[in-house]
Amino acid sequence: AQKITQTQPGMFVQEKEAVTLDCTYDTSDQSYGLFWYKQPSSGEMIFLIYQGSYDEQNATEGRYSLNFQKARKSANLVISASQLGDSAMYFCAMRANNNAGNMLTFGGGTRLMVKP
Amino acid sequence: DSGVTQTPKHLITATGQRVTLRCSPRSGDLSVYWYQQSLDQGLQFLIQYYNGEERAKGNILERFSAQQFPDLHSELNLSSLELGDSALYFCASSVGDGGSYEQYFGPGTRLTVT
Repeated sequence: AQKITQTQPGMFVQEKEAVTLDCTYDTSDQSYGLFWYKQPSSGEMIFLIYQGSYDEQNATEGRYSLNFQKARKSANLVISASQLGDSAMYFCAMRANNNAGNMLTFGGGTRLMVKP
Repeated sequence: DSGVTQTPKHLITATGQRVTLRCSPRSGDLSVYWYQQSLDQGLQFLIQYYNGEERAKGNILERFSAQQFPDLHSELNLSSLELGDSALYFCASSVGDGGSYEQYFGPGTRLTVT
């Protein structure tokens, strides 16, 4: 079974500063994918970034980067130069690349609040 | 806009009733997934369909059922509704069934059972 843990229920960050949202995972699969999604107050789930378990480079997408430490089983999201619009819930998710389907297992989420 | 559409956006109904939630995947996507987001259970996978066939099942109650039609749209049927079924129901779609395919989420249907 897979498990995703996000230990920070809520975080504050000053506008224009960088912030790291923690995510640890547990799986016995060798091949898997890790995802981060943003959920603003409007409710939609917005895909941010993906990291494959065999990717050697950390994924980056604009101001988002994923700090992937495979041995520690962590996949932290780093947001650089925070903006007020970054205030939202952030979910870390995992998918096993096996024949049992393609479903995502989500963590409990971190609420990020950006202060002006 | 992810390209995934869900209707209705909001639904209010009474206990014991039955509702149908509809999802249209992104053009070209063959996989459809249903997720439930509630305050006590968080985000949970319910069921996946790939090209019309059931592919995987998660924590889906027996009172719930789903199907994917030949035009690839999907419906989630919830029956004998209980107060605890109140939640945000997401549909997501992806091109394939495996590999590094991202799942794109629809805006969700907020179900309130009174």
